[in-house]
Amino acid sequence: QKEVEQNSGPLSVPEGAIASLNCTYSDRVSQSFFWYRQYSGKSPELIMSIYSNGDKEDGRFTAQLNKASQYVSLLIRDSQPSDSATYLCAVNRLNNFNKFYFGSGTKLNVKP
Amino acid sequence: GAVVSQHPSWVICKSGTSVKIECRSLDFQATTMFWYRQFPKQSLMLMATSNEGSKATYEQGVEKDKFLINHASLTLSTLTVTSAHPEDSSFYICSARDTGTGAGEQYFGPGTRLTVT
Repeated sequence: QKEVEQNSGPLSVPEGAIASLNCTYSDRVSQSFFWYRQYSGKSPELIMSIYSNGDKEDGRFTAQLNKASQYVSLLIRDSQPSDSATYLCAVNRLNNFNKFYFGSGTKLNVKP
Repeated sequence: GAVVSQHPSWVICKSGTSVKIECRSLDFQATTMFWYRQFPKQSLMLMATSNEGSKATYEQGVEKDKFLINHASLTLSTLTVTSAHPEDSSFYICSARDTGTGAGEQYFGPGTRLTVT
C-alpha cells in the first residue's frame, strides 16, 4: 500500500464547474497535509496546507481534511482553463518532521 | 509566500564533466532543503535531504559520490552532479522547508533542466 494515493486521472471538468481532487493516506500519525499544483515542465507550487480537521478556504480553493477517514481533498470552484495542471498531495508525519510523502498526482483538465 | 531560487535554470554539458546547481531560500532561513529529480511524465523522486551543517541523507539507490550535496549555510544548498552521463539528463528541483510557519511548508525552486550530451 502506498503512503499517499491519488487517482492519476485525467479529471475533466467544464469551465466554471467545481473540480474535486481526492487523496488518501495510510498512516494515522500523519499531521500536516499539502496541495501542490504542477504545470507541465514546471516545478510544483504550493497551493494550500492544512493540519486541522475540517475545511480551509483560500480564494477559489478549499482544502478538506478528515483524519478519521484518512483523506484530504481539494475543491476548486469556478474552474478555469488555467487550472489545468497536475495536482500533488503531500503528507508529513508527526514522528518524522522532514519526511514528506507525495502522491503521484492527479491530472486536471478544465475544458473551455 | 516564501521564495526559493535555483541557478542555473538550464544547463547543457558534455559527458564526463561535472555540473553544480545552486538552491537558495531568498526570504527565509532553511535548515532543511530537499533535492528531487523528475523525468518526463513521471512523478517527483526525492534524491536526498540536506541539513545545514551536516551530511545529506540520500534515498536508497541514489549514489552519494555521484550527487554531491553541500548545505553550508541556512540559505544555500548545492548539488553537484559529478562525471555526468546522458542518463543523468533530467529536471532537478530543490525545495526548502520554512520552519517558521505553522505547518513547515516546503517551497520548491523553479528547477534546473540538465542535458548531458
